[in-house]
Formats: sequence, structure tokens, C-alpha cells
Amino acid sequence: KQEVTQIPAALSVPEGENLVLNCSFTDSAIYNLQWFRQDPGKGLTSLLLIQSSQREQTSGRLNASLDKSSGRSTLYIAASQPGDSATYLCAVQHGGSQGNLIFGKGTKLSVKP
Amino acid sequence: GAVVSQHPSWVICKSGTSVKIECRSLDFQATTMFWYRQFPKQSLMLMATSNEGSKATYEQGVEKDKFLINHASLTLSTLTVTSAHPEDSSFYICSAIGGNEQYFGPGTRLTVT
Repeated sequence: KQEVTQIPAALSVPEGENLVLNCSFTDSAIYNLQWFRQDPGKGLTSLLLIQSSQREQTSGRLNASLDKSSGRSTLYIAASQPGDSATYLCAVQHGGSQGNLIFGKGTKLSVKP
Repeated sequence: GAVVSQHPSWVICKSGTSVKIECRSLDFQATTMFWYRQFPKQSLMLMATSNEGSKATYEQGVEKDKFLINHASLTLSTLTVTSAHPEDSSFYICSAIGGNEQYFGPGTRLTVT
């Protein structure tokens, strides 16, 4: 059974700092891995999607890497801003494009001005 | 990008009553939709897979007679929480498969008093 773990559970950093969020998964036979942002009481915003054949994806100040063989992914946020404060969820997909996602518990990020 | 809506966005109901939540794909057709549930400070957990024109597939531990799912058209799936109890209070999020991507609705906050 696939398990997704995110470390740390919470993180507080001063504005401007670069940071890394970690995600690990137990079954490497994934179709893709996705990082989401969730604001309190809100739905999900997709940040980056990495296909199983890819090593990384970048969008603006965000960079996500994937090491499928070791079951790890990282989300790098450069020059953090208070607006980045949210919970970041990592999720893996099995069974091709029609499969459901399995989520980690998330990392709650607080960026202090 | 593709848009998935949910209605209502939040609902308060009394214990013992039933509540229906709608999930709609607004600009694409989805043969498969997923229903997730998120308890406070927990991750999203898959409840069931909804397939248009057929019975939903429920995850282990999810009562199919309590959480009724109807996917009657390619753009609409409904989740009815029957005889709701306070422990059913949660954040319910649906997603729809469009092409090779999964799009999430904004979620429905259910509070049972």
C-alpha cells in the first residue's frame, strides 16, 4: 500500500529565505507526482506536476524534483514571500492518468515578514 | 484550464438529516470523478471513485449506504451524506479526470450539529 510522507509537518521562515519541502513515497511505481498548495479552508491549487519519466519541473520561484527510484521528491521555493504561507501537499498517482491521487499530510509553511 | 465546481461551498445541517453535494465539470466531460474527504489537520483521503453510468467504487471503510454517489451525466457527480452525524463533519473535495489531468473542485465544508 502506497504511503506518502511529508517532512517537516510545519515550517516557519523569515521572508526572503530559500526553503525545501520534502516528500517521500513507499511504492516507486508511480505514474506521476504532483505538488499542491492549499490555503486554510480552501481547495487545492496545483503547483507542479512531474511525470514519472521526468526529473524536475520549474515554475517561477518553484522547482520540484523527483527521484522515483529512491521514492523522494523535493519542492524548492526561492526567495520566499509572506504570500507563500499555506499548506503544501504532495500527491502521487498510480494506475495511469485515470488513477486517484494519494496524498501526504502536508507541510504548513509560514513566511514571516 | 479546466474548471470543476462544487455546490454548496459550505453547509450546516442537523444530525440525522441528509445533505447532497454536487460536483460539476464546467468545460469538459469527465467519465471518472473522485470524492475525497479531509478531516482537520489531516490529508485528503479517497472515499470513492465515481464512474458515469455505473456504480461507484468505494474505498475500504467507507459505507456505501451512507455516502450515496450518483454520476448520472458526464459533467455531474453527486455525493449524498445520509443520516449525517457530527463525525461526518469534514471538508469534501471532488476531482474530475479531463484528458490526462485531474482537476479539483474548491471543496465543500460540511458541519453537522
